[in-house]
Amino acid sequence: DAGVTQSPTHLIKTRGQQVTLRCSPKSGHDTVSWYQQALGQGPQFIFQYYEEEERQRGNFPDRFSGHQFPNYSSELNVNALLLGDSALYLCASSLASSGSSDTQYFGPGTRLTVL
Amino acid sequence: GQSLEQPSEVTAVEGAIVQINCTYQTSGFYGLSWYQQHDGGAPTFLSYNALDGLEETGRFSSFLSRSDSYGYLLLQELQMKDSASYFCAVSADSWGKLQFGAGTQVVVTP
Repeated sequence: DAGVTQSPTHLIKTRGQQVTLRCSPKSGHDTVSWYQQALGQGPQFIFQYYEEEERQRGNFPDRFSGHQFPNYSSELNVNALLLGDSALYLCASSLASSGSSDTQYFGPGTRLTVL
Repeated sequence: GQSLEQPSEVTAVEGAIVQINCTYQTSGFYGLSWYQQHDGGAPTFLSYNALDGLEETGRFSSFLSRSDSYGYLLLQELQMKDSASYFCAVSADSWGKLQFGAGTQVVVTP
């Protein structure tokens, strides 16, 4: 049973560039959430996708956008990168029908460095 | 505002017991979860409390008091592999959005 996978594992970009991160949820899961984790901090909720729609969003600017595909995989796009976007980006999957009590399974993350 | 407070670091010896407290103030509350994270790896689910009381899973136990907006994670019979960051997280809505604390670094010494 494959868990949550993310690619790439590491990425280095320069300010102003754009980046796309990818996530495949755990088998059987239909909901994908994205989190940003700065060094020494807890993960911060970016947004959540369900049925190919953004269902809810955290306090992140429009430079952060996403997409969910029919196979439930998801992408996170960040435009006009800033130095402050350097962080570990985590994807978490869950099953919508289980509601808030469902365990969220996290992927290993993508470490983004913006120079 | 919304916040989750937990200690930044706890140090203990192998075999000891450690309690990590978490107090929260959030606009919504459906439950309190605990996650373990080793050196920037994937956060791993440890436990979830939706109702008041104690939940026990092996060497780890978690407690919740909704009236006090307080919970804790108890790590018993500490092992070196338990050295990691531990995060409390509130399920803020019925869709499972998680709000995390800043994390507690647990250091286990021989």
